Amino acid sequence: GAVVSQHPSRVICKSGTSVKIECRSLDFQATTMFWYRQFPKQSLMLMATSNEGSKATYEQGVEKDKFLINHASLTLSTLTVTSAHPEDSSFYICSAPGLAGGPRDTQYFGPGTRLTVL
Amino acid sequence: LAKTTQPISMDSYEGQEVNITCSHNNIATNDYITWYQQFPSQGPRFIIQGYKTKVTNEVASLFIPADRKSSTLSLPRVSLSDTAVYYCLVGGSHYNNNDMRFGAGTRLTVKP
Repeated sequence: GAVVSQHPSRVICKSGTSVKIECRSLDFQATTMFWYRQFPKQSLMLMATSNEGSKATYEQGVEKDKFLINHASLTLSTLTVTSAHPEDSSFYICSAPGLAGGPRDTQYFGPGTRLTVL
Repeated sequence: LAKTTQPISMDSYEGQEVNITCSHNNIATNDYITWYQQFPSQGPRFIIQGYKTKVTNEVASLFIPADRKSSTLSLPRVSLSDTAVYYCLVGGSHYNNNDMRFGAGTRLTVKP
């Protein structure tokens, strides 16, 4: 089936630094990707929709200047957490729609990136 | 806002059948129902998808009544490895952010 990868799988950084997370669709093209954040014991919270060749669409309450999204190609979207602070520590997950072999597209999720800000 | 409501948690024992129901009272005509499974520290994984009546694959069945205002994920003979959080999503397009907001999900715990 379709595979989505994320890099890095985990990152630890100091407060105030910026961290870039990559999301790649390995065997299919993705004009749209989604970025989520998940805190412990909570559900996935949609942060933004990443659109290839155009600006990302952010959910209400998500700071676009803090969470920079770049979807430069049909297989790669990046999320940059700028000036990270401890409250940004979370599990970040991306997804991309792809054919599941059924009547409709479904989402393929990356394995997630664990960000810890000290 | 998420379009779905599920029980927060469920407990079961190995070998039992587990049924998790999702309410989606405002489902639209062109919406499909998709279920995902998530293990700790992993991304969600597609389980099953359906539009109406019954769908079955190698891991689960999905029952959807005629009014489509709810759906039930059925896991036959669960094992310890089925302990996970299960999410149902309702939407007509997997490219639309309105269709990609997760609800709280159901935390299934399978006991020996």
